[in-house]
Amino acid sequence: DSGVTQTPKHLITATGQRVTLRCSPRSGDLSVYWYQQSLDQGLQFLIQYYNGEERAKGNILERFSAQQFPDLHSELNLSSLELGDSALYFCASSVGQGFGELFFGEGSRLTVL
Amino acid sequence: QKEVEQDPGPLSVPEGAIVSLNCTYSNSAFQYFMWYRQYSRKGPELLMYTYSSGNKEDGRFTAQVDKSSKYISLFIRDSQPSDSATYLCALIRNDYKLSFGAGTTVTVRA
Repeated sequence: DSGVTQTPKHLITATGQRVTLRCSPRSGDLSVYWYQQSLDQGLQFLIQYYNGEERAKGNILERFSAQQFPDLHSELNLSSLELGDSALYFCASSVGQGFGELFFGEGSRLTVL
Repeated sequence: QKEVEQDPGPLSVPEGAIVSLNCTYSNSAFQYFMWYRQYSRKGPELLMYTYSSGNKEDGRFTAQVDKSSKYISLFIRDSQPSDSATYLCALIRNDYKLSFGAGTTVTVRA
């Protein structure tokens, strides 16, 4: 158990809908990272937050947004969903700002029908 | 061209065989090198971490880095069915940007 908690584990929704994925980092970790993993794209970095502030941005679509709250949990919002957004979404956390050892949650599997 | 290229696999080996996994990279700014292991339906977990050229051993696992050739490898000796997983190389640049390889799925047959 990595100590990173993600909910929900599975989510099925329709095109055009909006969903929110939630992540609680390991106790003491200040950084939260979001990754998308699909079969053809591998593990793609979306965004990082450190202590409530956006720290780094990757290949995150404009339809996607995230935030980190004062209690350090994070949410990833996906809107106007398309079939191609179906993927595993991982949250990871680390102690510092840099990309040191990342501790990953078990992921949220999103299926868009 | 991707910054990190990983041999796609998949690999299927008999129990006890040596597994060899490889990644190449194009940017000499990569300074830290890691291997993550991902079991089916789980998140990746850090297996090994190194920052210098040469070999680093941890039990049955050896990570090898050749910065001059921009080539990293992971060797698994005496492979076990429990080693069946997807292995991802992960490289960190000196500006802290992390890039993952696409992953290689390994199956160790009993």
